[in-house]
Amino acid sequence: EPEVTQTPSHQVTQMGQEVILRCVPISNHLYFYWYRQILGQKVEFLVSFYNNEISEKSEIFDDQFSVERPDGSNFTLKIRSTKLEDSAMYFCASSLDRLINTEAFFGQGTRLTVV
Amino acid sequence: DAKTTQPPSMDCAEGRAANLPCNHSTISGNEYVYWYRQIHSQGPQYIIHGLKNNETNEMASLIITEDRKSSTLILPHATLRDTAVYYCIVRVAIATDKLIFGTGTRLQVFP
Repeated sequence: EPEVTQTPSHQVTQMGQEVILRCVPISNHLYFYWYRQILGQKVEFLVSFYNNEISEKSEIFDDQFSVERPDGSNFTLKIRSTKLEDSAMYFCASSLDRLINTEAFFGQGTRLTVV
Repeated sequence: DAKTTQPPSMDCAEGRAANLPCNHSTISGNEYVYWYRQIHSQGPQYIIHGLKNNETNEMASLIITEDRKSSTLILPHATLRDTAVYYCIVRVAIATDKLIFGTGTRLQVFP
C-alpha cells in the first residue's frame, strides 16, 4: 500500500540552527500538507501546497518557515532559526485531490527536539 | 467549520462494537463529517467520511442522524490495535483544505 514517508524520524538541533524536514508524498498525489503536534496538544495545521505554491497557511507558519518541492518527489519543511517552542512532532500529508470527498494520508512524523 | 463535541474517553472490550459519538449541532448543509484516528504518537489515519448518508468501509461504519446534528463511528469488532484517539472533524470541503483537529475521544480497548 502506498504511504507517505518522512525522514528523519527524530532530529535534535540546537536553538537558532536551521532544520529541514523531508517528506516523500504518495507518488500520484498533487496536494501536500504539513501539520505539527506539540507534546500533549492538538494536531495543528501549518501549510498546504499545490502546483508549486502555498495554497493556505496558518498563523503558526510565519517567516521562519518555508516549504519546497525541489525535485518532483520530495516535499520539505524548512525552519530557518529554530526556537525551543518549535519542538514537536511534524507530520507531512498528501492527497490525490483537494479534500473534497477524499482523504489525506499522513506520514509517521519527524520528532524535532530543539535544545 | 462547525464545532464538534466528543467525549474525552471511552472504554470497549475486545471483540465488542465500539460506538464513538460526535455532536455537531451547528453543521451546515455542505459540511462533511470526517473521522481520523491517531494511534499513540503516529500520524493521523483516515477512517471514513460522509455527508448525509450512512457509510461503511473495511474499517468502520459512520451513522449520521437525519438532522445531521450528530454522528456515530462504529468499529464493529474492536481489537487492542484500535486503541487510539479518534477525531471527528466537520469541514466545508470547498473553502479550505485544512483539517482542524480537536481533542478527540481516547478509546481504550481492553482484553
